[in-house]
Amino acid sequence: DADVTQTPRNRITKTGKRIMLECSQTKGHDRMYWYRQDPGLGLRLIYYSFDVKDINKGEISDGYSVSRQAQAKFSLSLESAIPNQTALYFCATSDSSVGTGVTQTRGNTGELFFGEGSRLTVL
Amino acid sequence: AQSVSQHNHHVILSEAASLELGCNYSYGGTVNLFWYVQYPGQHLQLLLKYFSGDPLVKGIKGFEAEFIKSKFSFNLRKPSVQWSDTAEYFCAVTRRNAGNMLTFGGGTRLMVKP
Repeated sequence: DADVTQTPRNRITKTGKRIMLECSQTKGHDRMYWYRQDPGLGLRLIYYSFDVKDINKGEISDGYSVSRQAQAKFSLSLESAIPNQTALYFCATSDSSVGTGVTQTRGNTGELFFGEGSRLTVL
Repeated sequence: AQSVSQHNHHVILSEAASLELGCNYSYGGTVNLFWYVQYPGQHLQLLLKYFSGDPLVKGIKGFEAEFIKSKFSFNLRKPSVQWSDTAEYFCAVTRRNAGNMLTFGGGTRLMVKP
């Protein structure tokens, strides 16, 4: 089973509809992120959350909202979908814990772990 | 603002050819550097990462990258590509201890012809 699970994997909807993309993780990470991927633009950050009570806007938050229902769950909503929100959406997690080891491979390293993506098409 | 540039958007190579994908970033402070790979229809996976120490980093599947601080670069290399390396490659940068806020480059789509 995937450590970071996104649902739905594919969704086609119409302009004006409300859409929710869900993400759940079993990695025990406290930090979660939503990105969208567009050809030639790489991944752009929509929202991020460092713990259950923390929500922050990313680079392109307009038209989106999020909810961190639990440490393991982070959902992304489009209240009124529009065609330019057609994209591939990725949820990701990372660990903020600072290890006591001598290498930066433990703890807050910046490494993200991604879900398999949710392809959204808005007609 | 921090930006990450990948100058090659599409690269086509024959099997056994050597690969070098460019990545430059704009931030002048201490950074962590990453290369992620996305195989067709799959999610992003970490290929390799640099935090400190030896600027030549070895990753999975024979990939390596060299951090050149003076050039703000972190180019990805592989001596001999395989058809299975066909994928999109993303360079990403985060400032040290800045909340894991990765900034991604626009990606380079690599096609390896058998």
